[in-house]
Amino acid sequence: LAKTTQPISMDSYEGQEVNITCSHNNIATNDYITWYQQFPSQGPRFIIQGYKTKVTNEVASLFIPADRKSSTLSLPRVSLSDTAVYYCLVGDAGYNQGGKLIFGQGTELSVKP
Amino acid sequence: DAGVIQSPRHEVTEMGQEVTLRCKPISGHDYLFWYRQTMMRGLELLIYFNNNVPIDDSGMPEDRFSAKMPNASFSTLKIQPSEPRDSAVYFCASSPGTDGNTIYFGEGSWLTVV
Repeated sequence: LAKTTQPISMDSYEGQEVNITCSHNNIATNDYITWYQQFPSQGPRFIIQGYKTKVTNEVASLFIPADRKSSTLSLPRVSLSDTAVYYCLVGDAGYNQGGKLIFGQGTELSVKP
Repeated sequence: DAGVIQSPRHEVTEMGQEVTLRCKPISGHDYLFWYRQTMMRGLELLIYFNNNVPIDDSGMPEDRFSAKMPNASFSTLKIQPSEPRDSAVYFCASSPGTDGNTIYFGEGSWLTVV
């Protein structure tokens, strides 16, 4: 299973762009890169997923370099409500049918006014 | 469209008692996961099922923990006997297994063992 490494915490201010980078040096060919968000007292929630290059949705963008050994979650113009823990996951829960999803320690993002 | 439903949401029990946590996955999802979250250990995968069959239970901490999935719409996680160190939030999650790593979590069951 590919291990992920991400910063334990980050601080930001409202309106700023936040970039959280995750390292996954031993990512496998079948692995996807997925990011989850968890608010206090709630279960994690899927944000975005990618395999290579760039993916964008209404919430965030995900940048994946060609070697796929890292990825960066970009949150544009954060607000106080974006304060949460962000998890980077690498794995293949579906197609491989033998995979399982392991959550790392996550990055605790604190957005200040 | 109902999400993953867990019960109970909160439970306080005495050490030595049996605890049963319940989960109803999203209809049509082939994968079901049980996670445990604590401040010290973070979010740990306990066990997961594919088509009602346990695939990997290597995360189950010890024999006091057991999980079953008798059908596609129901799963239980049982702790017997419970101990104070089992106090945690237990999350159930499900996945269609056809969209990479997209899994859907329930709201969690908050367990306190005193």
